[in-house]
Amino acid sequence: DGGITQSPKYLFRKEGQNVTLSCEQNLNHDAMYWYRQDPGQGLRLIYYSQIVNDFQKGDIAEGYSVSREKKESFPLTVTSAQKNPTAFYLCASSPFRASGNTIYFGEGSWLTVV
Amino acid sequence: SQQGEEDPQALSIQEGENATMNCSYKTSINNLQWYRQNSGRGLVHLILIRSNEREKHSGRLRVTLDTSKKSSSLLITASRAADTASYFCATDGYNNYQLIWGAGTKLIIKP
Repeated sequence: DGGITQSPKYLFRKEGQNVTLSCEQNLNHDAMYWYRQDPGQGLRLIYYSQIVNDFQKGDIAEGYSVSREKKESFPLTVTSAQKNPTAFYLCASSPFRASGNTIYFGEGSWLTVV
Repeated sequence: SQQGEEDPQALSIQEGENATMNCSYKTSINNLQWYRQNSGRGLVHLILIRSNEREKHSGRLRVTLDTSKKSSSLLITASRAADTASYFCATDGYNNYQLIWGAGTKLIIKP
């Protein structure tokens, strides 16, 4: 079945450690996104990519990095510079631009700092 | 600041009743979307309404858009326990890739 696969579902990070969240899609979508969701909050955009080898900062990019080497893959690294990384992270994709188009989401990854 | 703001923040009703949620936004838009999120899961697209549309239906869902009041409502008729979820509206953002999301309405359907 077509969709977006995020892994791992649960991840624990120690202080000063970088961690990478995986996101893979087989929908043949050009655009991919990473969102952060805090309890009881809406989604905030971290990074987005319109096309392979191109990505743009969203509203809260500080302390995060991404790459888009393949159309199917858009991994997110949470670096040690992100001081409050505990949150629910959602990867998404859309055929083209988000405005006016359905966005498809993965099942999310929970990141906790220990 | 968030452009889309849902109201109420939480809603608890009996199974079979209708549920209405509202979304307000600040600037003019081309499109508004509604999504649903079950607890701890990803979001699922429900319906998209364009600025030149006033009402749209999909199964038990009815969405209205009032651009003069900068607001939208989502009505779920004949609610079921499986409708228990959070519902979010998303509006056009700063560019075509940056939607703005509200904080959501948490809907609880009591059996």
